[in-house]
Amino acid sequence: NAGVTQTPKFQVLKTGQSMTLQCAQDMNHEYMSWYRQDPGMGLRLIHYSVGAGITDQGEVPNGYNVSRSTTEDFPLRLLSAAPSQTSVYFCASILNHQNPSTEAFFGQGTRLTVV
Amino acid sequence: DQQVKQNSPSLSVQEGRISILNCDYTNSMFDYFLWYKKYPAEGPTFLISISSIKDKNEDGRFTVFLNKSAKHLSLHIVPSQPGDSAVYFCAANDGGTSYGKLTFGQGTILTVHP
Repeated sequence: NAGVTQTPKFQVLKTGQSMTLQCAQDMNHEYMSWYRQDPGMGLRLIHYSVGAGITDQGEVPNGYNVSRSTTEDFPLRLLSAAPSQTSVYFCASILNHQNPSTEAFFGQGTRLTVV
Repeated sequence: DQQVKQNSPSLSVQEGRISILNCDYTNSMFDYFLWYKKYPAEGPTFLISISSIKDKNEDGRFTVFLNKSAKHLSLHIVPSQPGDSAVYFCAANDGGTSYGKLTFGQGTILTVHP
């Protein structure tokens, strides 16, 4: 079982460059989301999607775009990378986001450094 | 403003003893609380959860206690094992548009010594 797959695992960008972090899940989960993890801050929600064609902003959406054209994929786009976006990014999926006890499945993370 | 706080960055425990990880929250609208465990270079994995209408939930060696009046929850691991060494995140959700929107604490690094 692949679960949630993130690519790439590591990336170094120069300030101002753009890139897309890929996330795919093979569990037919309706809900997908992106978090960033920073030291002393825990995980913070960037964007989320409750189904194909539907996306919304989380706690820290500035500088990031998302789209959800299929159930399986939820890419995160950095439009113009800044050093403040240096972080570890996690993609997560949930089968039923209306069930409060349903667990989230996370990918292995993408470590991004912006220089 | 951090709505979920884990004030202990780290905890060190001997194998076989009890580990107690603490978490405080400020948002009264939270109605479900979850604990996630994270090993280095891996994503977090779900460990245990508790509804706000309960005060205790147990799963094997793991028990979560909730004190709503104090806005405090704790995770007890008994007995602790070296394989439990990881970062533990407390998280909460409040429903609203989606229970998928989790608010996480900063995490506590647990080290269990053989």
